[in-house]
Amino acid sequence: AQSVSQHNHHVILSEAASLELGCNYSYGGTVNLFWYVQYPGQHLQLLLKYFSGDPLVKGIKGFEAEFIKSKFSFNLRKPSVQWSDTAEYFCAVTLLSGGYNKLIFGAGTRLAVHP
Amino acid sequence: EPEVTQTPSHQVTQMGQEVILRCVPISNHLYFYWYRQILGQKVEFLVSFYNNEISEKSEIFDDQFSVERPDGSNFTLKIRSTKLEDSAMYFCASIEGLAGSGSQFFGPGTRLTVL
Repeated sequence: AQSVSQHNHHVILSEAASLELGCNYSYGGTVNLFWYVQYPGQHLQLLLKYFSGDPLVKGIKGFEAEFIKSKFSFNLRKPSVQWSDTAEYFCAVTLLSGGYNKLIFGAGTRLAVHP
Repeated sequence: EPEVTQTPSHQVTQMGQEVILRCVPISNHLYFYWYRQILGQKVEFLVSFYNNEISEKSEIFDDQFSVERPDGSNFTLKIRSTKLEDSAMYFCASIEGLAGSGSQFFGPGTRLTVL
C-alpha cells in the first residue's frame, strides 16, 4: 500500500536556525507532492506543491522543498525559522493513477521554535 | 479569498446517535473529500465525491458512513450510529479540477466527541 513517512515527529529549534523536515513516499508511479501546515487552532493550509518541472519548489513564507525522484523524497527546508513557524507540518501525496486526487498524508512533524 | 467552511466546529454526541457534519466547499469546485484525524494520529482519507456520487472510499468508510450533496452548496457526512472510536477531527476539502490542475483546500474541521 502507498504510504508517506515523515522522519521527525517533534522538532525543537531556536529562531534563525535552519530547518529540514524529511518526507519519503512509497509509490513507483507518478505523484503530486504537497506540504501542508497547520498552525495552532487553525486548519490545514497549503505550503507548497510539486506537480512537474523544476524539482526545487518555493512556497509561502520562505519555505522550499526539493523533489528527488530517485530517493522518493520531498524534504521541506527553510534557511532561518521564526517563532511564527511553530506549527505541525504534513507531507502528502496524490497518486495520478487514481484520478480522484485523494491525499495520502504522513504522520506530521510538530515544530516548536523558541525565541 | 474563497474558503471551505464547516459546521459545527465541535459536536458532542452519545454513542449510538446519528451525527451530520456539514461542509460548504468553494463554489466552483467539483471534487469533494472528507478526511479525519484521530487525536495524535495522521490525517486519513475517508471518501471522495464527484458528480453526485462517491468516486472512491477508504476501508474506514463503512456502512455507518454516508455522504450527500443535498443542494448546490452543502456537502454532508453522516455517521449513522456513532462509536467511541469515531471521535476525531473531520476535515472537508474541495478541489476545482482533476489531478495536476490544482490542490485541495481544507475547511477548519469539526471536532467530533463521542461519549
